Amino acid sequence: DAGVIQSPRHEVTEMGQEVTLRCKPISGHNSLFWYRQTMMRGLELLIYFNNNVPIDDSGMPEDRFSAKMPNASFSTLKIQPSEPRDSAVYFCASSWTSGTYNEQFFGPGTRLTVL
Amino acid sequence: DQQVKQNSPSLSVQEGRISILNCDYTNSMFDYFLWYKKYPAEGPTFLISISSIKDKNEDGRFTVFLNKSAKHLSLHIVPSQPGDSAVYFCAARGFSYGQNFVFGPGTRLSVLP
Repeated sequence: DAGVIQSPRHEVTEMGQEVTLRCKPISGHNSLFWYRQTMMRGLELLIYFNNNVPIDDSGMPEDRFSAKMPNASFSTLKIQPSEPRDSAVYFCASSWTSGTYNEQFFGPGTRLTVL
Repeated sequence: DQQVKQNSPSLSVQEGRISILNCDYTNSMFDYFLWYKKYPAEGPTFLISISSIKDKNEDGRFTVFLNKSAKHLSLHIVPSQPGDSAVYFCAARGFSYGQNFVFGPGTRLSVLP
């Protein structure tokens, strides 16, 4: 298995532009997570899906952020409009959850720079 | 308010010696804990876990200790190797959190040859 795939790996954009980050989870996993890592706040959960349904989006910073999971093999995180304070590394992770705890497998991340 | 704390941002250890990374948590409802390792330009990778019904779990050179009364866990790496140099994240989860993990801020370990 190729693991969790994220694209792009790096994104540089200007303030006000729309940014779309993409994630392909590990095949067979039924939970998908979006995280953001910054120096100030460390690794924070933005949103997670279970069976393609958003379960908890309380970590989404504001309405400029939105996430979708149209099917079991694809998810997007969109920021519109982007701001310089959104600059961070965004990770997608997936896991198989069956009522017990299972570790999450992370993608390599997308480094976003908003100028 | 950080529920999972790693109070040492960085740690340097000589190759061959023991590395001890510490993690404290505040939520007594947490019942499952994990350690992740992260190399630069890569995503975190799972290292070892422990359930609250145990106080120790070993996997090769890595051992995690859990002290529930102190709400403290530690990761021991013996012997430390230069390839262990990475950022280590402690993460915790409890039933009320569903599938969410709460991550600590990480500790950067440098193993010096």
